[in-house]
Amino acid sequence: QVQLVQSGAEVKKPGASVKVSCKASGYTFTGYYIHWVRQAPGQGLEWMGWLNPASGATHYAQTFQGRVTMARDTSITTVYMELSGLISDDTAVYYCGRTVGGTRLWDCWGQGTLVTVSS
Amino acid sequence: SYVLTQPPSVSVAPGQTASITCGGNNIGSKSIHWYQQKPGQAPVLVVYDDSDRPSGIPERFSGSNSGNTATLTIGRVEAGDEADYYCQVWDSSSDDQVFGGGTKLTVL
Repeated sequence: QVQLVQSGAEVKKPGASVKVSCKASGYTFTGYYIHWVRQAPGQGLEWMGWLNPASGATHYAQTFQGRVTMARDTSITTVYMELSGLISDDTAVYYCGRTVGGTRLWDCWGQGTLVTVSS
Repeated sequence: SYVLTQPPSVSVAPGQTASITCGGNNIGSKSIHWYQQKPGQAPVLVVYDDSDRPSGIPERFSGSNSGNTATLTIGRVEAGDEADYYCQVWDSSSDDQVFGGGTKLTVL
């Protein structure tokens, strides 16, 4: 079945970077875009950007431009999201998700990765 | 950038009908999707393309979209429907994904 499995929780100090992975299985990896959103404690969903696994092309939300980098390794069907210059407000659960169709609905989500930024 | 506005909370008694709105400029011209998120879990798609249901989602979940408002309707509400609900669209002009702020559904 279609599945996205993310890496485990991380604790980082302010100013550091974090890299979260999202391993896809059960479908053709290069056929669907992968997006990232985050959810701060008690807050809503904040979209971060997408990556096209076929080409490696990326598009980032303006809020995160200059701080986020998304990449993929097609040999292991894995997408990565790296966020740099961490501050306490970056403490959140980070989700990857697959979008399908012309209307870009999210039909599969990863389980989420908690990133805690604390000195 | 495109903005989607949801009420923070909606309350409903069991067996009644809950309506959750999502407002946006000319949102009726876009395809809207709805997600249910329970505490500690990832969101789950419950309605897509305004009014279609994924397999496994009860018929009690339905949607509509016209003008400046889209609506998720949950009929014969059950305790298990208590969750946060998010609307989402793809803004083709910017190629951005946009989520509403979320609505907490409380079953009284």
